[in-house]
Amino acid sequence: EAGVVQSPRYKIIEKKQPVAFWCNPISGHNTLYWYLQNLGQGPELLIRYENEEAVDDSQLPKDRFSAERLKGVDSTLKIQPAELGDSAVYLCASSTTQGTEQYFGPGTRLTVT
Amino acid sequence: AQSVTQLGSHVSVSEGALVLLRCNYSSSVPPYLFWYVQYPNQGLQLLLKYTSAATLVKGINGFEAEFKKSETSFHLTKPSAHMSDAAEYFCAVNDGGATNKLIFGTGTLLAVQP
Repeated sequence: EAGVVQSPRYKIIEKKQPVAFWCNPISGHNTLYWYLQNLGQGPELLIRYENEEAVDDSQLPKDRFSAERLKGVDSTLKIQPAELGDSAVYLCASSTTQGTEQYFGPGTRLTVT
Repeated sequence: AQSVTQLGSHVSVSEGALVLLRCNYSSSVPPYLFWYVQYPNQGLQLLLKYTSAATLVKGINGFEAEFKKSETSFHLTKPSAHMSDAAEYFCAVNDGGATNKLIFGTGTLLAVQP
């Protein structure tokens, strides 16, 4: 069974530029999560989707961050414009609708210069 | 509100020695508890989970954890450390409610000395 796929794995951009991350969850997993992991910290939830619906986006900085999951499968997380403080690892995870286990992708390491 | 505290941001053990990584949780309801491992430049891999079926939970790679409600703890142990165990370990709690949100600790970096 294929795991959670994320791309790109690494991204370096200059501040004020836009950036997008892509995630493909495990087949059959209706719930998708985006987490932010700062250096030396545990992941923190940014947004959770149930199928196409964002059911918890309370921690997403909506002035510069946006996300979508148009067909209830793949998801894209965007930052526009990026700031220096956005340098971190962005992790995608998925689970079944009632599942408590979340399965993580390898993450995208973003560096903003 | 739920929270997780991991005591010791860095732990160093010798190869073959006991590994003990500490985790204490705070939850107003019976929680689901998890340990994840993260190797350099990789995502998080589930080691084991507690879902109230048994207080002693066995996971992958020889790790196990014991849920102690009286101590609100869920410490991770392995009898004999291997060099390949060197990684960062995260404890997490999920109340299983409507949010189904994982709350992570700050992690413990395990070093294994030859």
